[in-house]
Amino acid sequence: AQSVTQPDIHITVSEGASLELRCNYSYGATPYLFWYVQSPGQGLQLLLKYFSGDTLVQGIKGFEAEFKRSQSSFNLRKPSVHWSDAAEYFCAVVYNQGGKLIFGQGTELSVKP
Amino acid sequence: DVKVTQSSRYLVKRTGEKVFLECVQDMDHENMFWYRQDPGLGLRLIYFSYDVKMKEKGDIPEGYSVSREKKERFSLILESASTNQTSMYLCASSLEGTVRSYTFGSGTRLTVV
Repeated sequence: AQSVTQPDIHITVSEGASLELRCNYSYGATPYLFWYVQSPGQGLQLLLKYFSGDTLVQGIKGFEAEFKRSQSSFNLRKPSVHWSDAAEYFCAVVYNQGGKLIFGQGTELSVKP
Repeated sequence: DVKVTQSSRYLVKRTGEKVFLECVQDMDHENMFWYRQDPGLGLRLIYFSYDVKMKEKGDIPEGYSVSREKKERFSLILESASTNQTSMYLCASSLEGTVRSYTFGSGTRLTVV
């Protein structure tokens, strides 16, 4: 079955430190990949997405993600985390245009001063 | 901007009640989706619809049904609410044939007592 795995349920980083959130998807042709963020009490906000082309994609709020087909991964990175980045992050994949979006379990990010 | 509106932000219902969660989108999207979000489980797809009067089961359809009588409205129905259906419910819509336009509502937090 098509699936997305986020191995880390909860991560804590210090403010100013770098961040990498992991995401792996099950094998499938031409995945379309997304990262969403959800702040407490808020809705889902799209951070970035990968459809094709350059495997390093830039998103909002200083985030980037790299698609690695050989590893079936789409990890999210940020060079310097801000306290306001504390939130839950979801990786998602869709395998056909307009089809159903499949989400990972989410990674909760805490930022310590 | 596309808007997906969920009629209730918070809802409290009694066990055994029939519950309707309403979702309306204003951009003529063909596809609509219902997810439930639970801690540690991410977002799981309950049902989706590709067109009026069409519906398909997602990953966790048990205990739920849906209705799509008009293109802009997609209703989630809990035939007989149970406490294990206490959750956050998110509606989304997308344009057929594209992965570029998934839009989420703000969610309905349902508590079944």
